[in-house]
Amino acid sequence: DAGVTQSPTHLIKTRGQQVTLRCSPKSGHDTVSWYQQALGQGPQFIFQYYEEEERQRGNFPDRFSGHQFPNYSSELNVNALLLGDSALYLCASSSPGQWAYEQYFGPGTRLTVT
Amino acid sequence: LAKTTQPISMDSYEGQEVNITCSHNNIATNDYITWYQQFPSQGPRFIIQGYKTKVTNEVASLFIPADRKSSTLSLPRVSLSDTAVYYCQTEAGGGNKLTFGTGTQLKVEL
Repeated sequence: DAGVTQSPTHLIKTRGQQVTLRCSPKSGHDTVSWYQQALGQGPQFIFQYYEEEERQRGNFPDRFSGHQFPNYSSELNVNALLLGDSALYLCASSSPGQWAYEQYFGPGTRLTVT
Repeated sequence: LAKTTQPISMDSYEGQEVNITCSHNNIATNDYITWYQQFPSQGPRFIIQGYKTKVTNEVASLFIPADRKSSTLSLPRVSLSDTAVYYCQTEAGGGNKLTFGTGTQLKVEL
């Protein structure tokens, strides 16, 4: 049983560009959350998707958007990249309807903006 | 928005019990408190979760006082492999927004 998978593993982008990160949840999970983790800091909640809709959102600008597909996989899109967007982006999935319960995290995508 | 704070670092020796405390205000009665372990270049890994009094599983215990303004993760008999960063997570701040604490770097030595 595969756990949470994320792609790509690493990514280098230039300021002003756009990026799309992908996440496949653990089998049987329908809720996906995205986090941003800057170096040396704790993960910051970006948003959560359930039933293909954004259910909760953290304090992130509209440049950060997402999508969830019928198979529960999800994408995180970031437009107009800034240097400060450089971070590890983590995806976490959880059991049906249980958005705040045990979350399973993927290995993350390391985004570097130059 | 409520802050969730933890000690920056802790040092211990193999075989000792380690207690890591997380301070969190503004959480509701039924808001869960969750603890995660994170190794470098990996995603956080679930340790334990609860919302009142005491919870115990095969790897840790979680103590939550009646006022719920803090919680303590207890790791019995730590080993070198427990060296990692430990985070508490709450639904602090209302609006069901999941908030990670500042993280505690635990270093276990022989």
